[in-house]
Amino acid sequence: DSGVTQTPKHLITATGQRVTLRCSPRSGDLSVYWYQQSLDQGLQFLIHYYNGEERAKGNILERFSAQQFPDLHSELNLSSLELGDSALYFCASSAPMGYGYTFGSGTRLTVV
Amino acid sequence: GESVGLHLPTLSVQEGDNSIINCAYSNSASDYFIWYKQESGKGPQFIIDIRSNMDKRQGQRVTVLLNKTVKHLSLQIAATQPGDSAVYFCAENSGGSNYKLTFGKGTLLTVNP
Repeated sequence: DSGVTQTPKHLITATGQRVTLRCSPRSGDLSVYWYQQSLDQGLQFLIHYYNGEERAKGNILERFSAQQFPDLHSELNLSSLELGDSALYFCASSAPMGYGYTFGSGTRLTVV
Repeated sequence: GESVGLHLPTLSVQEGDNSIINCAYSNSASDYFIWYKQESGKGPQFIIDIRSNMDKRQGQRVTVLLNKTVKHLSLQIAATQPGDSAVYFCAENSGGSNYKLTFGKGTLLTVNP
């Protein structure tokens, strides 16, 4: 157990739907990062939150959004889902001023 | 722009041999590098890291080498075991307060018994 908790582990949904992925960082970590991993791509950075504030955006679609709550857990919202959104979505957290990430076990999203 | 690439997508070795996984990076401003291991169905797991002011760092059975002149990073695994079979990613941090890591596509290491 890495200490980073992601739920749900698996999600199957239809095109056009909206889903919410949840991440609880390790205790004490203020940063949360979201990454998407598909078969033909590596880990693609989506977004970074630090202590409730958005710090950086990567290749995140406008249909996707995220937020980090006062208790530091984060949610990634994916809407108007398309088949191509099927992927593994990972959350990672890091300590303040920390370079290394600790990853959760991911959410496997399948859009049918 | 930032990019991290791997020379070989797959590597197959015999149990007990040493493995070397290579990675090229293009951002000369990168100051920190990490190797991650990802087993099937799991999230990436930290293996070893190195800062840009170092050229070598050793862990338990693993060594990371950094050659800033040619922007090359390698991971050496000694006495490779079947449990080492996984996808290995290198990642770089190009500095700044964001600490965003850029990952390569990964190398699949298969260890044959």
